[in-house]
Amino acid sequence: GAVVSQHPSWVICKSGTSVKIECRSLDFQATTMFWYRQFPKQSLMLMATSNEGSKATYEQGVEKDKFLINHASLTLSTLTVTSAHPEDSSFYICSALRMLAGGIGIQYFGAGTRLSVL
Amino acid sequence: LAKTTQPISMDSYEGQEVNITCSHNNIATNDYITWYQQFPSQGPRFIIQGYKTKVTNEVASLFIPADRKSSTLSLPRVSLSDTAVYYCLVGDEGTGFQKLVFGTGTRLLVSP
Repeated sequence: GAVVSQHPSWVICKSGTSVKIECRSLDFQATTMFWYRQFPKQSLMLMATSNEGSKATYEQGVEKDKFLINHASLTLSTLTVTSAHPEDSSFYICSALRMLAGGIGIQYFGAGTRLSVL
Repeated sequence: LAKTTQPISMDSYEGQEVNITCSHNNIATNDYITWYQQFPSQGPRFIIQGYKTKVTNEVASLFIPADRKSSTLSLPRVSLSDTAVYYCLVGDEGTGFQKLVFGTGTRLLVSP
């Protein structure tokens, strides 16, 4: 099956610091990756779409200068939470879009990153 | 974007078959239906995807009626480890399956 690796799985940082989260598709190439955010007992909320070699597309209400996304290769996208504050504490999940024969696509998800900002 | 509606929660017992129905009345011609399973503090896991009629894999079956306005995920003989949240989503092939909007999902509790 398709494997998406996300690191780190858990990070604690001080307020004001920046945190980088990596998302890798291990056994397929992904032109498109996605970043989600999930609060406890809630559903996933799409933050942005990451396209290899181009700028990410952010959802309404998501600060692009706050959440920097880089998709420099077909297997790696990174999300950097800049100047993190306690309200940024959340569960961040990435996914990679795997295109199959016939033009059908399936998103495969990473295990998620728990960010705690003190 | 087609919106999906699912029951908020369901209860079952080990060994029973569980059917979770999802309503997507505004599904577009190019939309596919995909189901995911999510355990606490983990990313969603792909279960099954379909466009029409019936799709079956080693884990589940997906039934889609002709009008495609609903779909039913069938889990045969559930076990305790199937306790999770199940999400039904519709994705637009025309936009490269972007913008999968997650609804509330169905919280399935399997008891002994």
